[in-house]
Amino acid sequence: DGGITQSPKYLFRKEGQNVTLSCEQNLNHDAMYWYRQDPGQGLRLIYYSQIVNDFQKGDIAEGYSVSREKKESFPLTVTSAQKNPTAFYLCASSIDGGTGYGYTFGSGTRLTVV
Amino acid sequence: QQQVKQSPQSLIVQKGGISIINCAYENTAFDYFPWYQQFPGKGPALLIAIRPDVSEKKEGRFTISFNKSAKQFSLHIMDSQPGDSATYFCAAGSGSRLTFGEGTQLTVNP
Repeated sequence: DGGITQSPKYLFRKEGQNVTLSCEQNLNHDAMYWYRQDPGQGLRLIYYSQIVNDFQKGDIAEGYSVSREKKESFPLTVTSAQKNPTAFYLCASSIDGGTGYGYTFGSGTRLTVV
Repeated sequence: QQQVKQSPQSLIVQKGGISIINCAYENTAFDYFPWYQQFPGKGPALLIAIRPDVSEKKEGRFTISFNKSAKQFSLHIMDSQPGDSATYFCAAGSGSRLTFGEGTQLTVNP
């Protein structure tokens, strides 16, 4: 079945450590996105990529980094510079980067800083 | 920053009732308005979407009403069921990205 796989589902990080969240899709979608979800704040865009080897900052990119070396993969690194990293992280993809077909979301990774 | 305002934050409805969630946007360049449904611990799933050239779209028990002049759109869930209990997000998009509302937690009591 086609879809988006995020791993791990739960992740614990010590303060001061970088951590990388995985996102893989087999939908052959061109565009991929990372969102952060906090209670009462909806979904906030961290980074997005419309094509391999290219990506743009979203609204809350500080303290995060991404890469897009393959069409199928869009990993997110939460660096030690992110002041409040505990959140639910969602990866999404869309067919052509446009909004006409909506997004397909993964099941998310819950990151907790301990 | 482009914004989409969603209300109410939470909603409790009796089984069989109508659930109504409202959203308002500012940017007139938005040309795609989807609604997403999210269950706990899962990613959001596309529920229904509308473009600004129509005022209403219906799919089963779910209806989007769109008022272009007021820059508002709403989701109506008819005959609400306990299985509809979830968080609902409106969104608005143009170009390559969607902007999401803050979400509404819907509880349908049996």
